[in-house]
Amino acid sequence: GDSVTQTEGLVTVTEGLPVKLNCTYQTTYLTIAFFWYVQYLNEAPQVLLKSSTDNKRTEHQGFHATLHKSSSSFHLQKSSAQLSDSALYYCALSAGSNNRIFFGDGTQLVVKP
Amino acid sequence: DTTVKQNPRYKLARVGKPVNLICSQTMNHDTMYWYQKKPNQAPKLLLFYYDKILNREADTFEKFQSSRPNNSFCSLYIGSAGLEYSAMYLCASSGNRVGPTEVFFGKGTRLTVV
Repeated sequence: GDSVTQTEGLVTVTEGLPVKLNCTYQTTYLTIAFFWYVQYLNEAPQVLLKSSTDNKRTEHQGFHATLHKSSSSFHLQKSSAQLSDSALYYCALSAGSNNRIFFGDGTQLVVKP
Repeated sequence: DTTVKQNPRYKLARVGKPVNLICSQTMNHDTMYWYQKKPNQAPKLLLFYYDKILNREADTFEKFQSSRPNNSFCSLYIGSAGLEYSAMYLCASSGNRVGPTEVFFGKGTRLTVV
């Protein structure tokens, strides 16, 4: 079936250090796009990054991710974590003409001073 | 305005009683979704409307109902709440194109069934 896997439930990093959140997927759909959603406390999930192009880096707010279809991955990275980056991050696969969304379980990122 | 609004933000319900959650969007999106979110789990798609067509997931087919009287409004209805329905319910919308696209979420309604 179709699924998204985020291996870390919690990632803790010190401010200023790099951070990487892992995301892998499996799907039978041919028409797909990938998203990283971020959810701050008491707020709605919102799109941080999106991509549908293989091997093309996409960047926003200092975060970047590259879709690699060969390894079925869309990892999220940032070179220098900020305190304000602390939030819940979801990797999501959007597929098919009906725009079905498959979410990972989410990774809670905690950035410490 | 790219907001999806959900009311109420918090709801307390008794076991066996009905629950009705409300969602609205003003982006003229053709698709509206309802997700159930429990702690440490991925948001689970319950159902979605594409225009006036309701699509319900097979494993939740009998547990949830929905209505969409107009493009902007969508409700989620639980006929008889059980303890297992306690969760965050997220409404979302997307449109208006065919294929994968971004969805916009509301802040959610936290339902507690006692």
